[in-house]
Amino acid sequence: DTGVSQDPRHKITKRGQNVTFRCDPISEHNRLYWYRQTLGQGPEFLTYFQNEAQLEKSRLLSDRFSAERPKGSFSTLEIQRTEQGDSAMYLCASSPGANTGELFFGEGSRLTVL
Amino acid sequence: DAKTTQPNSMESNEEEPVHLPCNHSTISGTDYIHWYRQLPSQGPEYVIHGLTSNVNNRMASLAIAEDRKSSTLILHRATLRDAAVYYCIRGAGGSQGNLIFGKGTKLSVKP
Repeated sequence: DTGVSQDPRHKITKRGQNVTFRCDPISEHNRLYWYRQTLGQGPEFLTYFQNEAQLEKSRLLSDRFSAERPKGSFSTLEIQRTEQGDSAMYLCASSPGANTGELFFGEGSRLTVL
Repeated sequence: DAKTTQPNSMESNEEEPVHLPCNHSTISGTDYIHWYRQLPSQGPEYVIHGLTSNVNNRMASLAIAEDRKSSTLILHRATLRDAAVYYCIRGAGGSQGNLIFGKGTKLSVKP
């Protein structure tokens, strides 16, 4: 399968714990995006990378959230000191570059904070 | 602020055409119109996008009003697998990563 891969698919954690999600984009896609989706809502943009550079961050990305893409390939999204409000589906997407109009999404990582 | 308006839900019969409307009255001249759909328990899937002219691909057609304040996604023959939430999104052509999704239209397809 050559699509966007996310790991883990499901994560249950206790409030206050740290969690990390990984995203492997489609090979040679230089743009990578993170979105968050809560039940009944559309996805909300969090941040995106062009290669290893983080070019845009939403104000939704509080200081407890950090995303990296150290070698311009896979990316990680870490949430520190999780809160119940962080419970959501975290979606990763990639695209070949600017002006292509098409994002390829993974199936998401579902986080439940108890 | 999603900046687009869509009906919450629509129903269609299998093998009939479906027209999904979207209003984007404040669209700027450089904003593209993107459509994505999301099947249950999956990530969103790209359907189509366009700027001014009508667009066709293997999945659907996109009809854009002349004043660009509205558009319609057309599924020519709905199948049960087309049951999904359809999102109409305004996006700047040069930074399409920051796509602002609304709540979309939940399409139900009846056999």
